[in-house]
Amino acid sequence: AQKVTQAQTEISVVEKEDVTLDCVYETRDTTYYLFWYKQPPSGELVFLIRRNSFDEQNEISGRYSWNFQKSTSSFNFTITASQVVDSAVYFCALSRYNQGGKLIFGQGTELSVKP
Amino acid sequence: GAVVSQHPSRVICKSGTSVKIECRSLDFQATTMFWYRQFPKQSLMLMATSNEGSKATYEQGVEKDKFLINHASLTLSTLTVTSAHPEDSSFYICSAHTHKGDDEAFFGQGTRLTVV
Repeated sequence: AQKVTQAQTEISVVEKEDVTLDCVYETRDTTYYLFWYKQPPSGELVFLIRRNSFDEQNEISGRYSWNFQKSTSSFNFTITASQVVDSAVYFCALSRYNQGGKLIFGQGTELSVKP
Repeated sequence: GAVVSQHPSRVICKSGTSVKIECRSLDFQATTMFWYRQFPKQSLMLMATSNEGSKATYEQGVEKDKFLINHASLTLSTLTVTSAHPEDSSFYICSAHTHKGDDEAFFGQGTRLTVV
């Protein structure tokens, strides 16, 4: 069975702090995709990243970075120098490699960045 | 990225009526579309998978007679909530998937359904 766990339900930080959102996943597949999405209060899902299981390199995109550790089945997301606009619910998700559209979501982490 | 349009974005309906939600892929052909439901403060849960021209596959616990899915073309899937009740109030979001290219799925904007 596949499962995604985001243990942090809510995180509150002050602007300019760095914050890491944790994601741990379970799968018996050797090949799979991992995702992060941002869901602002308006509700739409904003795609942030998709990573396939072959590629364990960490990725940086502006203030965002992701740490994929296959050995610990984790795919953590760090926001550097957080801003108020980063306030949202963030979801980590998993899909099977040949089912790229069928996502299993974690419970989500609600991030609140205060000025 | 590809564009998926979901309509309406918000709908309020009376208990006992039916509501149709449309999901359109605007610039690509979606062989598969997925429908998710999200209750307040909860995660997104897959309701069903629809393939163009065939019957939808529903996840365990989802009533197929209540949530009718039609995927009549490669660019349109519809979800009809029949005889809606207040407990059906939720955020419904679709994603459209193509097996071509990068095997990606793209999400619509979502529909917030309130049943009064």
